Amino acid sequence: AQSVTQPDIHITVSEGASLELRCNYSYGATPYLFWYVQSPGQGLQLLLKYFSGDTLVQGIKGFEAEFKRSQSSFNLRKPSVHWSDAAEYFCASVGSSASKIIFGSGTRLSIRP
Amino acid sequence: ETGVTQSPTHLIKTRGQQVTLRCSSQSGHNTVSWYQQALGQGPQFIFQYYREEENGRGNFPPRFSGLQFPNYSSELNVNALELDDSALYLCASSLEVRVPSGHTFGSGTRLTVV
Repeated sequence: AQSVTQPDIHITVSEGASLELRCNYSYGATPYLFWYVQSPGQGLQLLLKYFSGDTLVQGIKGFEAEFKRSQSSFNLRKPSVHWSDAAEYFCASVGSSASKIIFGSGTRLSIRP
Repeated sequence: ETGVTQSPTHLIKTRGQQVTLRCSSQSGHNTVSWYQQALGQGPQFIFQYYREEENGRGNFPPRFSGLQFPNYSSELNVNALELDDSALYLCASSLEVRVPSGHTFGSGTRLTVV
């Protein structure tokens, strides 16, 4: 069955430090892949998406993600985090049916002053 | 351009009752999906509506039902509420069901069942 795995439940980084959030997907073909961010009590905001083409995808708020087929990964990165980046981050994929998004369990990001 | 709006924002219901949640899709979007997000979990797909017809359903019992209206707004109905139905319910709209462009999510309805 198709699945998305985010191995890190909670990550704390210092403000100004670099960030990498891990995501692995399980799907035979190349899936559509997304990263969403959720602030407390809020809905989900799309950070970036990958459908095909260039494997390095640029998103909003200075985030980027790299699709690596050989590792079935789609890790999210940011060179320098800001206190406002503290939130829950969800990796997600859409399968062949295209009717639903499958989400990982999320990674909570905390920022150390 | 308006985003996705959901109402109400918070709701408290008693076990066994019925509830209706509402969603207005983003302008120009014709597909609406509903997700349940339990505390500390990722969202789980409930179902999707396209052109007023159900277009896919997740692993949820029949007491979860929905509607989509000609203006593409949508309702989620849950009958015989159970304590485990307590969650954030998210509505998402998208432009085209066949090519997922990335859903636009509303801020959700927080349902508490007591």
